[in-house]
Amino acid sequence: GQSLEQPSEVTAVEGAIVQINCTYQTSGFYGLSWYQQHDGGAPTFLSYNALDGLEETGRFSSFLSRSDSYGYLLLQELQMKDSASYFCAVRDRGSSNTGKLIFGQGTTLQVKP
Amino acid sequence: SQTIHQWPATLVQPVGSPLSLECTVEGTSNPNLYWYRQAAGRGLQLLFYSVGIGQISSEVPQNLSASRPQDRQFILSSKKLLLSDSGFYLCASPQGQETQYFGPGTRLLVL
Repeated sequence: GQSLEQPSEVTAVEGAIVQINCTYQTSGFYGLSWYQQHDGGAPTFLSYNALDGLEETGRFSSFLSRSDSYGYLLLQELQMKDSASYFCAVRDRGSSNTGKLIFGQGTTLQVKP
Repeated sequence: SQTIHQWPATLVQPVGSPLSLECTVEGTSNPNLYWYRQAAGRGLQLLFYSVGIGQISSEVPQNLSASRPQDRQFILSSKKLLLSDSGFYLCASPQGQETQYFGPGTRLLVL
């Protein structure tokens, strides 16, 4: 089967850097995505890695190592508004025409003053 | 760019009552559409997906059903709700090759 594992909770202070890890087991791999979900809201797309390495978008960066089946989301200069749940996701096996995603259980990030 | 509408935003229903949640999409044609459920504090569980009108694939056995009567309309239904059907229901559609765009969701509480 396919599965993703990520920590359930992370706490950090404003201005700090936090890393949220994700390990995955899949049959066939198209890339690793990250989504942010604020309490009561819908998930929104943050980043996508298809190849090994680091992708940077402002304060957020995402890393992928295909050989290790591992990725992480790095949040820098944390702000209170970054308090949210963060989900990693991979494309489902055989999803070339369906686009189905498999999501991790999510990591709740709490940013403290 | 596409927009996803979901109706209603919140719903409180008694056990055993029927359910109909609606998702409509604007700004794209013939999209793949997905229904997810999210229990409180949990991840997203894919319930159904559709690649076209009248085409429904179910991911998990459950008390729910889905229909796609029109290209941009996706409906989630139940004949008799269970307590375990409570949750946050999200409709989604691909945005580009590798991302999904989610609607605002419907929060369902079954009492």
